[in-house]
Amino acid sequence: ETGVTQTPRHLVMGMTNKKSLKCEQHLGHNAMYWYKQSAKKPLELMFVYNFKEQTENNSVPSRFSPECPNSSHLFLHLHTLQPEDSALYLCASSHRLADYEQYFGPGTRLTVT
Amino acid sequence: GENVEQHPSTLSVQEGDSAVIKCTYSDSASNYFPWYKQELGKRPQLIIDIRSNVGEKKDQRIAVTLNKTAKHFSLHITETQPEDSAVYFCAASMGDAGGTSYGKLTFGQGTILTVHP
Repeated sequence: ETGVTQTPRHLVMGMTNKKSLKCEQHLGHNAMYWYKQSAKKPLELMFVYNFKEQTENNSVPSRFSPECPNSSHLFLHLHTLQPEDSALYLCASSHRLADYEQYFGPGTRLTVT
Repeated sequence: GENVEQHPSTLSVQEGDSAVIKCTYSDSASNYFPWYKQELGKRPQLIIDIRSNVGEKKDQRIAVTLNKTAKHFSLHITETQPEDSAVYFCAASMGDAGGTSYGKLTFGQGTILTVHP
């Protein structure tokens, strides 16, 4: 599959579980992003990585832990989440930071029970 | 930090009419303003963007205007079609201006556009 892919597409987890979301981009981009999309606050930026280095943490709680092993892969490790963390988590990538088009993945629909 | 306000939250038009969505931003250092379209159940996709050195940009039926003095920008869709029905998001960032917000897009709340046949 080309573009930006995300797995799993749907995830249901309990508040004591630990799970990980995976994002992969096949576009040769150098910047990757995690966004949270919920009904109350659409498209909130969570983390930004540029050439594997984290450049932005938008005041995200520590129960969300990102990992970027290389420019093509991005993970979001989840632990002890709250029901209010239920949302669509979108990954995106862009050629570079700043004013470049961001390509979004299909998202992971997360439900915390 | 940057704050982007988007209006209206919902917009309903008849096919063939024009649609206008407006956004205001708070940080005068912002210089890059993209618009994304998100169809139901799909990912957001860029439809048009504008940089602060340009006042207007057109691409077929869509256009964006920017007023830097007033710190607002608008999306204009002419001759709307049912397939234009989607959620539209505006965004702002400081682009190459650097600083701690380098590469950070701040999105508006979104506008649900419905085009009735």
